[in-house]
Amino acid sequence: QKEVEQDPGPLSVPEGAIVSLNCTYSNSAFQYFMWYRQYSRKGPELLMYTYSSGNKEDGRFTAQVDKSSKYISLFIRDSQPSDSATYLCAMKYAGGTSYGKLTFGQGTILTVHP
Amino acid sequence: NAGVTQTPKFRILKIGQSMTLQCAQDMNHNYMYWYRQDPGMGLKLIYYSVGAGITDKGEVPNGYNVSRSTTEDFPLRLELAAPSQTSVYFCASSYWADTPDGTQYFGPGTRLLVL
Repeated sequence: QKEVEQDPGPLSVPEGAIVSLNCTYSNSAFQYFMWYRQYSRKGPELLMYTYSSGNKEDGRFTAQVDKSSKYISLFIRDSQPSDSATYLCAMKYAGGTSYGKLTFGQGTILTVHP
Repeated sequence: NAGVTQTPKFRILKIGQSMTLQCAQDMNHNYMYWYRQDPGMGLKLIYYSVGAGITDKGEVPNGYNVSRSTTEDFPLRLELAAPSQTSVYFCASSYWADTPDGTQYFGPGTRLLVL
């Protein structure tokens, strides 16, 4: 069983739709959760991070964490063609010996068409 | 700031050849990482470094070596290239590692094809 599972999609939605991206994880030692966005032939860039159960909003983006279910989500409201990218969930342990090492999901390819 | 830079952008290697992928950052970050990304597989950690002179293995280190002689540079060495090393390689760096906002900044990647 992979430590982090993410549906690779691909996901295709019309402009303006609400998008839901999800990851599950098996290791309860993961404490910090991130979403990265990766445009085609580019490096990933951090979109949002969170570390507690609940919701965190940033503009059209909402990150949700449910530690009891080991489940994280990213919601995109009013999706735009510029949101078309691969979205990667990532997580890491807390504590001094983690050294910031990230464990990534497989990535979900999202296309928003006009 | 240039951020994280990687060279070359693309390379074709023959089986058994060796090469070094270069990575440099100008943000004075202590932590640096090498990942590989295969289609549909996310990113997997190859090696990481917590400072000059200190490196350690990640999840998939076999067939690779690293060194960190300066804070800025973190080259990845491939010895005896194999087709299984065909991938896109990303270098990343961060200032903080053990906080939730310890953002890793990624380079543009090196695409490697081993034939």
